[in-house]
Amino acid sequence: DVKVTQSSRYLVKRTGEKVFLECVQDMDHENMFWYRQDPGLGLRLIYFSYDVKMKEKGDIPEGYSVSREKKERFSLILESASTNQTSMYLCASRPDRGTYGYTFGSGTRLTVV
Amino acid sequence: TQLLEQSPQFLSIQEGENLTVYCNSSSVFSSLQWYRQEPGEGPVLLVTVVTGGEVKKLKRLTFQFGDARKDSSLHITAAQTGDTGLYLCAGFSYNNNDMRFGAGTRLTVKP
Repeated sequence: DVKVTQSSRYLVKRTGEKVFLECVQDMDHENMFWYRQDPGLGLRLIYFSYDVKMKEKGDIPEGYSVSREKKERFSLILESASTNQTSMYLCASRPDRGTYGYTFGSGTRLTVV
Repeated sequence: TQLLEQSPQFLSIQEGENLTVYCNSSSVFSSLQWYRQEPGEGPVLLVTVVTGGEVKKLKRLTFQFGDARKDSSLHITAAQTGDTGLYLCAGFSYNNNDMRFGAGTRLTVKP
């Protein structure tokens, strides 16, 4: 069964910490995405990558960075966690550009205290 | 401001009832997708509609893409408790390779 795996389901971090969220897909997909999901706001795109070593800013990249050293892995980095980054983080992948649907991971619920 | 407006935001019904949820936009999309998300999990793709006026059925779920490819609806017949979840629509624009999600309709089906 193909899947997207996010390394942690729940994380609690302190303000100012550097946080790494890992995402791995086993479908050989070209495109990978990081979203955050907040009640009433839906899914907001943070960063995306169409290929290895490539990254593009989404709608809300401030305070985040990403890394894609290998095709299957896309990491989201919170450089200095803040309380307003408390959220559900969702990783998704897609075969390539086009009308294909996304395959999502189970999400990481991050709480910054 | 959401590019895709979903309504209603919340819906609570009894098992066996029918329901329709809507996804509306002023933008034209190349395709539109519906996802269901259960608590603590990521969204799961239900269907992709591509052609204006297209209707797709998935067991008790019927999806329709508007003729102008700006809106969509999801109709559930004889809802079951297992249908409970957050239903998200997402519009894809091929020209700028952009996918936009609505905020979702949270459906609760009571036994």
